[in-house]
Amino acid sequence: GAGVSQSPSNKVTEKGKDVELRCDPISGHTALYWYRQSLGQGLEFLIYFQGNSAPDKSGLPSDRFSAERTGGSVSTLTIQRTQQEDSAVYLCASCPGALEIYEQYFGPGTRLTVT
Amino acid sequence: KNQVEQSPQSLIILEGKNCTLQCNYTVSPFSNLRWYKQDTGRGPVSLTIMTFSENTKSNGRYTATLDADTKQSSLHITASQLSDSASYICVVRPIGGSYIPTFGRGTSLIVHP
Repeated sequence: GAGVSQSPSNKVTEKGKDVELRCDPISGHTALYWYRQSLGQGLEFLIYFQGNSAPDKSGLPSDRFSAERTGGSVSTLTIQRTQQEDSAVYLCASCPGALEIYEQYFGPGTRLTVT
Repeated sequence: KNQVEQSPQSLIILEGKNCTLQCNYTVSPFSNLRWYKQDTGRGPVSLTIMTFSENTKSNGRYTATLDADTKQSSLHITASQLSDSASYICVVRPIGGSYIPTFGRGTSLIVHP
């Protein structure tokens, strides 16, 4: 079956503009994570969705970042008033459920460049 | 604070040689540890998973070990191939509470012909 897909694969935007990044998880996966990966850094947790529960937003770096997940499936990460330090690869991962033992399946990422 | 430290940061080896990557963690209480392979421009893909009671797990030419007492893990790659060139990331998940795994920064492996 299809894996996790993300779009766009690359996004170049000017400082101050808003961007939306999309994630299509594996069908039936109830858990969805967003991460940010900067050059030479480990994956930085941003936000976690599990079923109909309130999302865990504890990793969002500022109020310019927000995310939603519609109908328990597709998720959109929005960055408002982008800054140069937002340049990174944004990865989405989905899991069959909330148990720690479940594997995270990652999408290919969206490379965001803020000029 | 939960941490995962990996070494070396980067490694260059010749095709056919073996290598070992290291991972030290402080995550507690500990549920499981995974090694992921991330090819350039792709998302990470799981290679192995080990729980507290397991001390070795193999996946083809990849063998992971775990010492839960010293909180150390290693990933051994045997008879390396050019396609092994990638970043290898150690990921540790705690039991219950936070569902957020802790990621190491990865080891960048380059295999030369």
